[in-house]
Amino acid sequence: IQLTQSPSFLSASVGDRVTITCRASQGISSYLAWYQQKPGKAPKLLIYAASSLQSGVPSRFSGSGSGTDFTLTISSLQPEDFATYYCQQLNNFPPITFGQGTRLEIK
Amino acid sequence: EEQLVETGGGLIQPGGSLRLSCGASEFTVDANYMAWVRQAPGKGLEWVSVVYSGGTTYYADSVKGRFTISRDNSKNTLYLQMSSLRAEDTAVYFCARGPYDRSHLDYWGQGILVRVSS
Repeated sequence: IQLTQSPSFLSASVGDRVTITCRASQGISSYLAWYQQKPGKAPKLLIYAASSLQSGVPSRFSGSGSGTDFTLTISSLQPEDFATYYCQQLNNFPPITFGQGTRLEIK
Repeated sequence: EEQLVETGGGLIQPGGSLRLSCGASEFTVDANYMAWVRQAPGKGLEWVSVVYSGGTTYYADSVKGRFTISRDNSKNTLYLQMSSLRAEDTAVYFCARGPYDRSHLDYWGQGILVRVSS
């Protein structure tokens, strides 16, 4: 299963609402997770099962979707949110697949 | 709090072997779904291998036959034995845990750099 994220690069301002999309090449039900990664750090789990917020993750992060189309939304960007975001499918593996990443930068 | 710490990385010549270790705290490696994920310099995340709680293992095609994932219950440590290393294996290697088999990965180590170069 291929995962395609869009956009690959996003420039936004503090306070903006941003949406990142992840499209699967075939249906994966709700078996999708989202991770945030900052430079030189390990990925951090944000969302699992497409829309469940991981414990400790701010509520400005939300996920939605099922089947082939998924979104990660940040309702009001904070300075610490500028990072790279990856989706991961959990339905059909091996192999475990990740999207190519979306780099979110400050405008 | 659950913690994972990788060790064993470094510079290795092409064709060589290296073993990565991932020590766990506050949970037992052998009872959990564990994975290795790598990231080449400037690139995205690439899954390498997983071991299910029951011991079933899977590998990415790119490392199948060259890498072996294993666990040492007495040391509460996950391993990745890497052999016949190639330049394209150069990456930061992360170990990670999932709360159940085939799940998302909720705890990650800090990562360890493996550089394959002559």
